[in-house]
Amino acid sequence: DAKTTQPPSMDCAEGRAANLPCNHSTISGNEYVYWYRQIHSQGPQYIIHGLKNNETNEMASLIITEDRKSSTLILPHATLRDTAVYYCIVSNLYNQGGKLIFGQGTELSVKP
Amino acid sequence: SQTIHQWPATLVQPVGSPLSLECTVEGTSNPNLYWYRQAAGRGLQLLFYSVGIGQISSEVPQNLSASRPQDRQFILSSKKLLLSDSGFYLCAWSARYDTQYFGPGTRLTVL
Repeated sequence: DAKTTQPPSMDCAEGRAANLPCNHSTISGNEYVYWYRQIHSQGPQYIIHGLKNNETNEMASLIITEDRKSSTLILPHATLRDTAVYYCIVSNLYNQGGKLIFGQGTELSVKP
Repeated sequence: SQTIHQWPATLVQPVGSPLSLECTVEGTSNPNLYWYRQAAGRGLQLLFYSVGIGQISSEVPQNLSASRPQDRQFILSSKKLLLSDSGFYLCAWSARYDTQYFGPGTRLTVL
């Protein structure tokens, strides 16, 4: 069973920031928060991950609350190519090969 | 840099026929390897993972098996396909205790 909760769908205007929320209230102290996205008919693409500090890379920013029970993925300037299903996953890299348990994700539609 | 390959990209097989899907990784040594399946809609299910040659862990009892004959090769097999085996099969790799990266996938249709 997935250990995260995400809204099933969201819309975002092109050029605006897309803020995708994720709840992970049962996260353990040694579990990381991972974000992947999957564009239709392609393999999932890694976006970003973090443990407890906020993280930023060339694709996105990850904001993790102080209690670590929720996080937000931010795409600062969404483009049409960002339309995809976004998965939030919590995983312990040192347990069972670091397997990922995918939920249903959030389908983000970026509109012109 | 590391690259992951999967083939074939698409496959149509009759019920009861055998299956062999191959995944190879370049540019790394001793990776963790994973097979996932995505059935209808979205959501991936982990089928098998391997932390070394000949070491396979199965997550879900099913009609499929996996083997790792070489360090960077992971094979998914079935002796007799079922209709329910249709789906999008994804291979992934990771360095020890690190991020997983996915291949392009194989879309299998069992008729």
